[in-house]
Amino acid sequence: ELKVEQNPLFLSMQEGKNYTIYCNYSTTSDRLYWYRQDPGKSLESLFVLLSNGAVKQEGRLMASLDTKARLSTLHITAAVHDLSATYFCAAQDYGQNFVFGPGTRLSVLP
Amino acid sequence: DVKVTQSSRYLVKRTGEKVFLECVQDMDHENMFWYRQDPGLGLRLIYFSYDVKMKEKGDIPEGYSVSREKKERFSLILESASTNQTSMYLCASSFMETQYFGPGTRLLVL
Repeated sequence: ELKVEQNPLFLSMQEGKNYTIYCNYSTTSDRLYWYRQDPGKSLESLFVLLSNGAVKQEGRLMASLDTKARLSTLHITAAVHDLSATYFCAAQDYGQNFVFGPGTRLSVLP
Repeated sequence: DVKVTQSSRYLVKRTGEKVFLECVQDMDHENMFWYRQDPGLGLRLIYFSYDVKMKEKGDIPEGYSVSREKKERFSLILESASTNQTSMYLCASSFMETQYFGPGTRLLVL
C-alpha cells in the first residue's frame, strides 16, 4: 500500500530565506505531484514529476524527484509572503490513484 | 481553462439525512475523484470513476456511495449522514497526469 509522508508539517520562515520541504513515499511510484492550497481554497497543481531525476522550476519554487530514494523535494528560494500556503505532495500508485501526504503549512514572515 | 464545479460551498445537515454532493467538469475528462480533507490527514480518496457507470472504491468508502450516469457529472452520496462525516469534500477530474480540483464543499453534520 502506497503511503506518503511530508516533512516538516509546519514551517515558519522569514522572507528572503531558503528552505526545503521533503516528501517520502513508501512503494515504487514514478509519478509525483505537488499542489498548493490557500486557506479556504481548493488545490492548485504546481508540478508534475514523471521520471527519476526530473526537476521543474516555477519562480521561487523548484521540485525534484529521486525515484530510487522514493523522495521528492520542494525547494523554496528567497521566500516571499505570497508563498504562504499549504503544500501537498501526492504519488500515484499503479491503480492510478493519487495518494496525498498530510501537507506542509508554510508561513512566510516579514 | 478546465472548470470543475461543486454544487455547494457550504452545507449543514442533520444526522441520518441523505446527502448528495454534485460535481461537474466541463473538459470531457474520463477520470473523476472524490476526496475528503481533514486537518493533519491530507486528502483521502473516497471513490473514483474512470468512465461512465464505472466506479472504484478508494481508501475510505464506508458510509458513501457514488453515481456517474453522465461523463461530466460525478455525485457523492452519504446514505445516512453521521457527525464523523463532517469534513471538506473535494472533487477532482484528471486528464493524463494532471488533476483539476473543484472549490470544495464544507459539510457540517449536526
